[in-house]
Amino acid sequence: EPEVTQTPSHQVTQMGQEVILRCVPISNHLYFYWYRQILGQKVEFLVSFYNNEISEKSEIFDDQFSVERPDGSNFTLKIRSTKLEDSAMYFCASSEVGLVTEAFFGQGTRLTVV
Amino acid sequence: AQKVTQAQTEISVVEKEDVTLDCVYETRDTTYYLFWYKQPPSGELVFLIRRNSFDEQNEISGRYSWNFQKSTSSFNFTITASQVVDSAVYFCALSEVGKTSYDKVIFGPGTSLSVIP
Repeated sequence: EPEVTQTPSHQVTQMGQEVILRCVPISNHLYFYWYRQILGQKVEFLVSFYNNEISEKSEIFDDQFSVERPDGSNFTLKIRSTKLEDSAMYFCASSEVGLVTEAFFGQGTRLTVV
Repeated sequence: AQKVTQAQTEISVVEKEDVTLDCVYETRDTTYYLFWYKQPPSGELVFLIRRNSFDEQNEISGRYSWNFQKSTSSFNFTITASQVVDSAVYFCALSEVGKTSYDKVIFGPGTSLSVIP
């Protein structure tokens, strides 16, 4: 069964450092998403991406965040200067074109900012 | 505005008991999808079910069943004969379709289920 793959599974970074979270979406999917889950809280939408541009973003997705699909297979989330409050589980998801879709989620990357 | 409410923050049951997790949603759209996801202690999100707004038939999958009632905007999830492996956080979620078809998923706050042996 096709799946969304995220790397690394766990990343520890120092406050102020840049971090890149990587995702390989399902190959025929065209819509891509990042979600965030702070420990013990609900999963929150960050951003959606289609046709090489951001379709929608939440208020959480400020100038510190950026997304990119650099090579047609990877989909990345970059946090420029990490803060302690960026510590969370980050989920990548992808979905097909069309109405009858469901978002397939990756297994998540746990980011710890120290 | 879209909203998903899961009033039960934590539930504990003894193994083999049945348990129902409640979910109430709000949306102005007539076309939408509802989901349930399971998040075990390992952290990943496991897709359980998707339901579209035009299909109110209840669904059963093994020990899992779902009751969708548009009249009360509820999409409740029942686990029959619970097992320790069912211990997890369960999220109900909503996705509107039509405006952008981007399938942005709005999650509820989750219900933490503990099944005690």
